[in-house]
Amino acid sequence: GDSVTQMEGPVTLSEEAFLTINCTYTATGYPSLFWYVQYPGEGLQLLLKATKADDKGSNKGFEATYRKETTSFHLEKGSVQVSDSAVYFCALTPGGGSNYKLTFGKGTLLTVNP
Amino acid sequence: DSGVTQTPKHLITATGQRVTLRCSPRSGDLSVYWYQQSLDQGLQFLIQYYNGEERAKGNILERFSAQQFPDLHSELNLSSLELGDSALYFCASSPRDRSYNEQFFGPGTRLTVL
Repeated sequence: GDSVTQMEGPVTLSEEAFLTINCTYTATGYPSLFWYVQYPGEGLQLLLKATKADDKGSNKGFEATYRKETTSFHLEKGSVQVSDSAVYFCALTPGGGSNYKLTFGKGTLLTVNP
Repeated sequence: DSGVTQTPKHLITATGQRVTLRCSPRSGDLSVYWYQQSLDQGLQFLIQYYNGEERAKGNILERFSAQQFPDLHSELNLSSLELGDSALYFCASSPRDRSYNEQFFGPGTRLTVL
């Protein structure tokens, strides 16, 4: 079945540092890929998405590129802020069939210190 | 605010009891998904409804059931509760049933079984 593997945390960075959170996936066909963020005590919010190979999703300074050849969707940000501290989830929905449930990675806790 | 509402926010109950979690999707969204988030299992898909009909089932126990009503709100019923059912339960909605559709998450219901 479909699966998502993301780097285990926690990740601790200083403000203005560069962030990479690795994510790879296993899926048949052409899944859509997502990064969701969960701030403490809140639900999940979509951060960005990409729906086909070579698409780049971007939002709030975060970027991720859909790489089909390496089945990856790594999240990057050039300069993190304290307010970026949260749990980040990589996820996919299948490209075919009729069930578009999200399959999530285990999540990566990011802590940014001032 | 995603526009998805869930009630109650917190629920504390005893083993063997039955509870009902309620979800109201965003206005106009036809698809409702239920997910369970626990420390050991991470985020797991439970069940999906689309316009009143069950569309897909995931790792949902037989003690759990759900339905979507004509006004599109959904309820998740959990019965014969066990300690291991303690978790955060999220509802998400999306406009239609498409792979590329973003799912909008509610704030969740935290269930504690004592």
